[in-house]
Amino acid sequence: NAGVMQNPRHLVRRRGQEARLRCSPMKGHSHVYWYRQLPEEGLKFMVYLQKENIIDESGMPKERFSAEFPKEGPSILRIQQVVRGDSAAYFCASSTGTQKGDTQYFGPGTRLTVL
Amino acid sequence: AQSVAQPEDQVNVAEGNPLTVKCTYSVSGNPYLFWYVQYPNRGLQFLLKYITGDNLVKGSYGFEAEFNKSQTSFHLKKPSALVSDSALYFCAVRGSDRGSTLGRLYFGRGTQLTVWP
Repeated sequence: NAGVMQNPRHLVRRRGQEARLRCSPMKGHSHVYWYRQLPEEGLKFMVYLQKENIIDESGMPKERFSAEFPKEGPSILRIQQVVRGDSAAYFCASSTGTQKGDTQYFGPGTRLTVL
Repeated sequence: AQSVAQPEDQVNVAEGNPLTVKCTYSVSGNPYLFWYVQYPNRGLQFLLKYITGDNLVKGSYGFEAEFNKSQTSFHLKKPSALVSDSALYFCAVRGSDRGSTLGRLYFGRGTQLTVWP
C-alpha cells in the first residue's frame, strides 16, 4: 500500500511566479490536510479537504493561497505570486475520516524555495 | 484553544539509557494525542497515539507514551535509546468536543533528540 505521495519534492520559484504542489493520498483515504513547516517551527495547519469540498480553510492565508481536491486526481495547493516568506516545507497528510482516533499519515513534503 | 508545548528544544542521551521527551497540552474536551518523528528532509512518521483506555500506550520502534490527565501531559519514553533514534520528535493534539475543529492537528515546536554512542 503506497503511502502519501507529494510532488515535486523540491520546487524553486522566483518572486511573483506561481507554485503548484500536488498530493496523492493513501489508497482508501478521502480526507486530505495541508500543513506548512517554517524553519525552526512545528507544523501549522493550513486547510482540510474532502473530495470536492473544503471543510476547513481557517489556517490558509486569505490571499494568494488556494487548495482543491477534485473528484479525480490529486489534491493541489496553489500559491500565486509567491514571495520570499512563502519559502517553507509543505506537508500533506491523509486519513480515512475524522472519527475519533483517525491517524493522519504524512507525505515526504515539498520544499519550496522562493528566490 | 488547543495548544501543545514541548518544553525542551533538545534532549541528549547516551545510547542504552532511557529517554523521555516531554509534552503538555491544552484542549477542549477529551484529547486525542499523537507522537510523530521526523528524520532530516523527510516527512513525519506516526509513532503512537492515545484515544482512550489504558494510560500507557505502546507504539513503533519500542517507544511508549504515558497519558496523565491531571498533569495534561503525554510524555514519550523508551527504556533503552539507540543512536538511530536521533531525530526530531513532534507531539500533536486534537480536541473532541463540538467546539473543536475536527480533523485539524495542533503541533508542538518539536524536540531534537540526540543519542550519543
